[in-house]
Amino acid sequence: TQLLEQSPQFLSIQEGENLTVYCNSSSVFSSLQWYRQEPGEGPVLLVTVVTGGEVKKLKRLTFQFGDARKDSSLHITAAQPGDTGLYLCAGANFGNEKLTFGTGTRLTIIP
Amino acid sequence: ETGVTQTPRHLVMGMTNKKSLKCEQHLGHNAMYWYKQSAKKPLELMFVYNFKEQTENNSVPSRFSPECPNSSHLFLHLHTLQPEDSALYLCASSPGQGPSYEQYFGPGTRLTVT
Repeated sequence: TQLLEQSPQFLSIQEGENLTVYCNSSSVFSSLQWYRQEPGEGPVLLVTVVTGGEVKKLKRLTFQFGDARKDSSLHITAAQPGDTGLYLCAGANFGNEKLTFGTGTRLTIIP
Repeated sequence: ETGVTQTPRHLVMGMTNKKSLKCEQHLGHNAMYWYKQSAKKPLELMFVYNFKEQTENNSVPSRFSPECPNSSHLFLHLHTLQPEDSALYLCASSPGQGPSYEQYFGPGTRLTVT
């Protein structure tokens, strides 16, 4: 069974600080997705990275896919309270239609 | 109009009850999914339907029974559940099946089995 470990599990920082969360696996994925889930809601897709080494930016969020396609990171610059939520990564497996979800990072931004 | 809706939002049931969860999508998608989200485990895929046909059953116990009468509606029928089945049950839909298609999630049904 493939496993995506996310770290840290919990993170609480002050508004305006920068942070990085990680998504690691021993398996290779064809693509990797990042979601944010707010309380009382379902996950919402933020980005999909497909190429090893790829970097994508979404306003203050920067996503990177590892060269070996086994890991990914999400960096947030100048965090805001609206960034609070559960961040999930999900890897797509070669050869089948399944997504494997990570263990999640629960982020709290303190005003 | 909200893309994917789920009812009820909260459900408390005894182990001998029978209940159903409902999911409806207004996006014209062809694939629909049931996921289970527990407190200390990754999001788990349960079932996938594509064009109303079940294409994935991820070794889900038979006390969970899905039904997809059309591409817009998905049900999860529950009977004789166990306390460990308490979780957030999420429905999702996508234009087609597979990770190349973005999945749109509903808000979930918070299920408590007593």
